[in-house]
Amino acid sequence: DADVTQTPRNRITKTGKRIMLECSQTKGHDRMYWYRQDPGLGLRLIYYSFDVKDINKGEISDGYSVSRQAQAKFSLSLESAIPNQTALYFCATSALADYNEQFFGPGTRLTVL
Amino acid sequence: GQNIDQPTEMTATEGAIVQINCTYQTSGFNGLFWYQQHAGEAPTFLSYNVLDGLEEKGRFSSFLSRSKGYSYLLLKELQMKDSASYLCAVLDSNYQLIWGAGTKLIIKP
Repeated sequence: DADVTQTPRNRITKTGKRIMLECSQTKGHDRMYWYRQDPGLGLRLIYYSFDVKDINKGEISDGYSVSRQAQAKFSLSLESAIPNQTALYFCATSALADYNEQFFGPGTRLTVL
Repeated sequence: GQNIDQPTEMTATEGAIVQINCTYQTSGFNGLFWYQQHAGEAPTFLSYNVLDGLEEKGRFSSFLSRSKGYSYLLLKELQMKDSASYLCAVLDSNYQLIWGAGTKLIIKP
């Protein structure tokens, strides 16, 4: 079984709809991250959480919100999706004790029409 | 500001050797990672350097010079399956990973 899972894997939605992307991990890591990836731009950090009560904005948090429901679960929401949020979204986890090597989920391909 | 530079794209021949460079300017340094990412897939860990010098792992080696803010990833005996993007990332003073945009490596037969 995969250590970091994301649901859904693919989603097509319309402008203005609310979307939630979910991430679960069985690695026991305290740190979790949400990234988006656009062609040619590399990985950009949206939000990160160092534990259940700690949520921090990344470089591109506008238009997104997150919820850390438990150590193992970290959800990303788009309250009102817009076409320029079309991207590949990755969840990742890490542990400071493991020099913060990040382990990635398989990604969610989101298309906003 | 924090910045990581790596070439956008490189081309190499199957069986050859290729070196992918990465230069960085970050607020503090707690290590440098190289990840491999095949198109449409998740990045996967290749190497971690925190001290100067060369780390060898099979066909892949990674080098770090902290004083120069420089690293490279060396791939030997290239195979077609090595066609992928290679991402350089630096762990800054807050233990945040700062990512480069990645180098797309194209392997030709």
